[in-house]
Amino acid sequence: QSALTQPASVSGSPGQSITISCTGTSSDVGGYNYVSWYQQHPGKAPKLMIYEVSNRPSGVSNRFSGSKSGNTASLTISGLQAEDEADYYCSSYTSSSTPWVFGGGTKLTVL
Amino acid sequence: EVQLVESGGGLVQPGGSLRLSCAASGFTFSSYWMSWVRQAPGKGLEWVANIKQDGSEKYYVDSVKGRFTISRDNAKNSLYLQMNSLRAEDTALYYCAREYFWAREYWGQGTLVTVSS
Repeated sequence: QSALTQPASVSGSPGQSITISCTGTSSDVGGYNYVSWYQQHPGKAPKLMIYEVSNRPSGVSNRFSGSKSGNTASLTISGLQAEDEADYYCSSYTSSSTPWVFGGGTKLTVL
Repeated sequence: EVQLVESGGGLVQPGGSLRLSCAASGFTFSSYWMSWVRQAPGKGLEWVANIKQDGSEKYYVDSVKGRFTISRDNAKNSLYLQMNSLRAEDTALYYCAREYFWAREYWGQGTLVTVSS
């Protein structure tokens, strides 16, 4: 079982907005601003979409945004496009014996 | 252009060993923390290990401690993962990644490790 909890799947229609949650504890998500989000298309390597909770790397569309409240981080994708259909993973630093953890992943379907 | 190219994967029997390599180019390798992340077939991502720029700090996921060793050669722009006492549950695609602001910014395409008799 993953240390961070994500919904298994979410869906939305083109143009809509969706939010993917990532729930941890005060030892990881809630305790540090080191949450990142990754997009992975089938058969491809993951791509960094958000780092340090809400920062976008150069080249990532501003349709992607991140936030955090308490022990839950969120990734919001606005203006959904067909190309956004992919798996999304959150990750956080943790004070446990394993310093980095991922969520179980969320499959985004664009209807 | 940042490039990370993994190699060294393959089929190995339980209890065996493998050494993965990651050749880096397009950036100053010695300036970055580096990570290994794995993904079992059809499963999610799992962080495995990372190493500081000069190799002085190394961290591991609990399940590989004492079996895997991460190392780097800054003169050769290369990252390594020595994997011993391999188990079936280590079967996965292993990615190397460059770290950036507490995240994995650039990823290679991965090398597949299969542990099976």
